[in-house]
Amino acid sequence: GIQVEQSPPDLILQEGANSTLRCNFSDSVNNLQWFHQNPWGQLINLFYIPSGTKQNGRLSATTVATERYSLLYISSSQTTDSGVYFCAVWVYRGSTLGRLYFGRGTQLTVWP
Amino acid sequence: KAGVTQTPRYLIKTRGQQVTLSCSPISGHRSVSWYQQTPGQGLQFLFEYFSETQRNKGNFPGRFSGRQFSNSRSEMNVSTLELGDSALYLCASSALGTAANEKLFFGSGTQLSVL
Repeated sequence: GIQVEQSPPDLILQEGANSTLRCNFSDSVNNLQWFHQNPWGQLINLFYIPSGTKQNGRLSATTVATERYSLLYISSSQTTDSGVYFCAVWVYRGSTLGRLYFGRGTQLTVWP
Repeated sequence: KAGVTQTPRYLIKTRGQQVTLSCSPISGHRSVSWYQQTPGQGLQFLFEYFSETQRNKGNFPGRFSGRQFSNSRSEMNVSTLELGDSALYLCASSALGTAANEKLFFGSGTQLSVL
């Protein structure tokens, strides 16, 4: 199956700092989504971004599909940004059926 | 609009028992998919239902099964529980089930512990 690798696995920041999370994938994909898992376990959809750049407040994401990577930028980090960030790619394999493949996540801790 | 609702939030079972988890999707969404999250394997796709039909299935043994009702609510069943089935089970819904061009919305999950 497709490999989705996220880096770094862990990131510790002080409030106010900026950060970049990376997602590499091993094959062409139909779409890519970024999620934030909150302390209660829920996955919150941050971006649905097959290519190009999107911004939502302090967060932005860029996907370069031809080079098989995506970046998630977090500016002016807040303690509420803490949690695990997942990258997931949607892949079709020889049929109309598809599925999401997740990376292992980046654990972000923001200290006050 | 209510989000994706999963019940129960926590479950404790013993080996050999069976368990049923429930997921109510966002109103109007017809696709429900299930994922297993463990520290060792991460997030893995279990299966996806659309309009009461299973459209896709991940690489899990037959002990894992599911169904979807006409109101789009879905249940997942695990029979003959094993210790390795301890995990957070997450359900996601979407309008069409094609995350190639739409967002997936997840519930808070059911934390299953098998003793």
